Amino acid sequence: DAKTTQPNSMESNEEEPVHLPCNHSTISGTDYIHWYRQLPSQGPEYVIHGLTSNVNNRMASLAIAEDRKSSTLILHRATLRDAAVYYCILRAYNTDKLIFGTGTRLQVFP
Amino acid sequence: DTAVSQTPKYLVTQMGNDKSIKCEQNLGHDTMYWYKQDSKKFLKIMFSYNNKELIINETVPNRFSPKSPDKAHLNLHINSLELGDSAVYFCASSQVDWRETSNNEQFFGPGTRLTVL
Repeated sequence: DAKTTQPNSMESNEEEPVHLPCNHSTISGTDYIHWYRQLPSQGPEYVIHGLTSNVNNRMASLAIAEDRKSSTLILHRATLRDAAVYYCILRAYNTDKLIFGTGTRLQVFP
Repeated sequence: DTAVSQTPKYLVTQMGNDKSIKCEQNLGHDTMYWYKQDSKKFLKIMFSYNNKELIINETVPNRFSPKSPDKAHLNLHINSLELGDSAVYFCASSQVDWRETSNNEQFFGPGTRLTVL
């Protein structure tokens, strides 16, 4: 299973953009890049996913490097509710198995 | 309406006891999962069931036995509880779709905090 590397923690101020990096240098050509987040005392929730092209949804944007060895989750305007642990996960195309790493703990200050 | 629900939310018990955690999803999904999150917050998949059939079994001790009476339910039964079983257990569900563009987004329950004394 391909691994991901993320910073342990990051900080942001409210209403500022946040860029959460993820390295996945051993990604295979058919691995999807998924992002989930876990708010305090809750189960994880899906944020976004992509394969090769950048993706946008109502929660965030996903920027994928051209060589796919890294990606960045972008929260355009952080809110206090965005304080969570963000997990970058590689999922093989032929499985639904998610392998969670240690994630990045995002703190948002008012 | 809660999409994925678990009961109980908290479970405190003695070593050696047998306990069950229940999970129900009302999303019409055909795949359900159990995850364990330990004290270091490391989240790891334990089992997945698709249409009541076991698909993933991740080297979990056989004291743990998932039971799926129907597609909407996946219960976790644990025999002879040990101190190391203390953790938060999350149930999840998804509608698995093997088309290449599919998300297979997993929806997680609120978790059950199990404390073994």
